[in-house]
Amino acid sequence: DVKVTQSSRYLVKRTGEKVFLECVQDMDHENMFWYRQDPGLGLRLIYFSYDVKMKEKGDIPEGYSVSREKKERFSLILESASTNQTSMYLCASRVPGPHDEQFFGPGTRLTVL
Amino acid sequence: KQEVTQIPAALSVPEGENLVLNCSFTDSAIYNLQWFRQDPGKGLTSLLLIQSSQREQTSGRLNASLDKSSGRSTLYIAASQPGDSATYLCAVKEGGGADGLTFGKGTHLIIQP
Repeated sequence: DVKVTQSSRYLVKRTGEKVFLECVQDMDHENMFWYRQDPGLGLRLIYFSYDVKMKEKGDIPEGYSVSREKKERFSLILESASTNQTSMYLCASRVPGPHDEQFFGPGTRLTVL
Repeated sequence: KQEVTQIPAALSVPEGENLVLNCSFTDSAIYNLQWFRQDPGKGLTSLLLIQSSQREQTSGRLNASLDKSSGRSTLYIAASQPGDSATYLCAVKEGGGADGLTFGKGTHLIIQP
């Protein structure tokens, strides 16, 4: 079974702090994704990576950056956290090939005070 | 820009009933469509994936159909059980590469014992 893990289930940070959210997948997938989920807005794509050291902006990249130094790990970085970044953050990994299914981690609930 | 709509937003039915959840998308040029389940405070669990060339997929009591030309998909749940209570999300992928998914806002389903 594909396993996508996220470093924290719950995180509380203060405004202005630098925040790292980590995601690891164990299936050697090339593609990884970061989404945020907010009530009334649904899931929105922040950034994705199609290979090591490669990244692409999604629909809402402002205020975020990412790092993909190793194939199994994809990090989301909030350079200076703000209260409007309080959200549920979900990481996903994509099965390569024609089946093309995305598998999600358990999510990190981030609160910025 | 692709938009995905799910109707109804919420649904409550007695145990044992068969039910249908609806998903529509504005741009019919999709690569595939995926149905997910999300339990409160948790990540997403993939239920079914339908390729653009397919009409339906089945897994146990779940059946998903796709009418690409009309921009619609349905998720049919047979003989519903209280354990089916969750939010069901529909998502489309537009390209064959590393693109992310565009999600609907979900249908919150409650199965009454």
